[in-house]
Amino acid sequence: NAGVTQTPKFRVLKTGQSMTLLCAQDMNHEYMYWYRQDPGMGLRLIHYSVGEGTTAKGEVPDGYNVSRLKKQNFLLGLESAAPSQTSVYFCASSTVIAGGKTQYFGPGTRLLVL
Amino acid sequence: GDSVTQMEGPVTLSEEAFLTINCTYTATGYPSLFWYVQYPGEGLQLLLKATKADDKGSNKGFEATYRKETTSFHLEKGSVQVSDSAVYFCALRDTGNQFYFGTGTSLTVIP
Repeated sequence: NAGVTQTPKFRVLKTGQSMTLLCAQDMNHEYMYWYRQDPGMGLRLIHYSVGEGTTAKGEVPDGYNVSRLKKQNFLLGLESAAPSQTSVYFCASSTVIAGGKTQYFGPGTRLLVL
Repeated sequence: GDSVTQMEGPVTLSEEAFLTINCTYTATGYPSLFWYVQYPGEGLQLLLKATKADDKGSNKGFEATYRKETTSFHLEKGSVQVSDSAVYFCALRDTGNQFYFGTGTSLTVIP
């Protein structure tokens, strides 16, 4: 199993450009999450999904959109990138099996918006 | 709302020193508690977890006990190694399966 993978690993954008970050998991997990990590702020939840075809807003959803068309994939889109979106983005997934459900993280995508 | 507060770093220790990283939480209901570790350039990895009060999570010499009376989940290790240098995150999962992370504590262990 590859676990959670993210594409791309690194990207540079100009202000106003758009892009899509792809997260894929092969563990048949129901839940998937997108976080951003900024210095001194830990991880902040952007959007999450509790199943195929469903999405919900997290703590910092503005400027981002997501889609979960397939259970194994969770896409994060930036329609018009801003320098404030420079960050490291992490995807995670987890099961709904009861009892201390654990999140599994991808390796991250470093995004620089100029 | 639910939240996690952990001690700010950075923390610098000599090899074989004792480590404590404090973590306290605020939550309604009965959350599960986690410690994650992030090595440079990598994603977060689960280090240990505890799902109910008085549970002790342990892994790789690290331990943390779920203390409901003090709403704490402090991370400890008796003798740190250089390879333990990383950023450590305390986290909780609420009854709605949402995760809340602390801001992270950077640990550097020097030989």
